[in-house]
Amino acid sequence: GQQVMQIPQYQHVQEGEDFTTYCNSSTTLSNIQWYKQRPGGHPVFLIQLVKSGEVKKQKRLTFQFGEAKKNSSLHITATQTTDVGTYFCAGNYGGATNKLIFGTGTLLAVQP
Amino acid sequence: NAGVMQNPRHLVRRRGQEARLRCSPMKGHSHVYWYRQLPEEGLKFMVYLQKENIIDESGMPKERFSAEFPKEGPSILRIQQVVRGDSAAYFCASSPPGTPSYNEQFFGPGTRLTVL
Repeated sequence: GQQVMQIPQYQHVQEGEDFTTYCNSSTTLSNIQWYKQRPGGHPVFLIQLVKSGEVKKQKRLTFQFGEAKKNSSLHITATQTTDVGTYFCAGNYGGATNKLIFGTGTLLAVQP
Repeated sequence: NAGVMQNPRHLVRRRGQEARLRCSPMKGHSHVYWYRQLPEEGLKFMVYLQKENIIDESGMPKERFSAEFPKEGPSILRIQQVVRGDSAAYFCASSPPGTPSYNEQFFGPGTRLTVL
């Protein structure tokens, strides 16, 4: 079946350190989306990657989509306390349905 | 333009009661999705609907759960005879018309269901 694995489950960093979370799908994706969820909040869309090998940047955040369209990563440079939250990747396999298969998420804690 | 609206935000039910969760998509959006998030876990897809049609319900439990998105009014997720294991956050998301797989999904604030 379609599965999306995400590591690590939890990451604790000092403010200013970098952070990376990785996503891996069991099968080829149509596209992958990244969401951030603050504690007690709802998922907020960050970005969508569609093309093989695609790299997108949003200020301190860099998103990559693997050549085989089966893996992805999110890298945050110089973390800030506002980056705290859980980061989810969500795979879309295309077809008639638009369901997202969410990864297990990475909880980022940033110590000031 | 108001975002996705869900109500109630918090719902407490006793075992055996019914729970009705409502979702109003963003204006102009015709696709609605329901996801469930158990404590400390990721979101699990439940159902994908368009107006008056269920497109994909592969994530819905076979019994007690149903969903609809009528021509007029909000989408409803209905859970009959709730059990403690139904306690979770239920999120609704919507996306605009067009090729659904390339559209961002906008999430509502969720309904936190607690079953006593």
